[in-house]
Amino acid sequence: QKEVEQNSGPLSVPEGAIASLNCTYSDRGSQSFFWYRQYSGKSPELIMFIYSNGDKEDGRFTAQLNKASQYVSLLIRDSQPSDSATYLCAVPGGGTSYGKLTFGQGTILTVHP
Amino acid sequence: GAVVSQHPSWVICKSGTSVKIECRSLDFQATTMFWYRQFPKQSLMLMATSNEGSKATYEQGVEKDKFLINHASLTLSTLTVTSAHPEDSSFYICSPQGYLGTEAFFGQGTRLTVV
Repeated sequence: QKEVEQNSGPLSVPEGAIASLNCTYSDRGSQSFFWYRQYSGKSPELIMFIYSNGDKEDGRFTAQLNKASQYVSLLIRDSQPSDSATYLCAVPGGGTSYGKLTFGQGTILTVHP
Repeated sequence: GAVVSQHPSWVICKSGTSVKIECRSLDFQATTMFWYRQFPKQSLMLMATSNEGSKATYEQGVEKDKFLINHASLTLSTLTVTSAHPEDSSFYICSPQGYLGTEAFFGQGTRLTVV
């Protein structure tokens, strides 16, 4: 059974700083990973998708994947108060169950002005 | 991204009554529907998986007779919480998957409060 672990936080950073969120996973066969952001009372929204070792950048967000260490992280540069949310790391199922996600516990991020 | 419509967005019901939640995929055919629930301060947990025209598969610990799932068409799936109790109060989220299955999309979620 896939397991996904995150530090639940809360993580508090000042506005403009870099927020670093971490996730480890148990299934060495996992090929791809999602980072979702979830505001209170809302559904998760996709921020990043990564499947190759190394870094993937999209605007202020950078996902880093290290398959050897079974570790995936999300960096948020120039953090804004609007980034305050819960960040969820997720691993998809295999084959035809790609949309079947195993989520980490989520990390609560607070960006203070 | 795909357009998914889930409603109601919130519902309050009395203990012992049933509540139906609808999830529609508006711009693609959902061959598979995943239903998640999220208790306060917890992450999303998969409840069940349904394929169009087939019976749903439930995760361990989820009562199939309590959470009735219907996936009769490629654009609509429903989750009915029968004989709801306060411990069923949660945030329920649907996630349809299409033929290509390359990304997960989510409905807006339904906040159920059982009083």
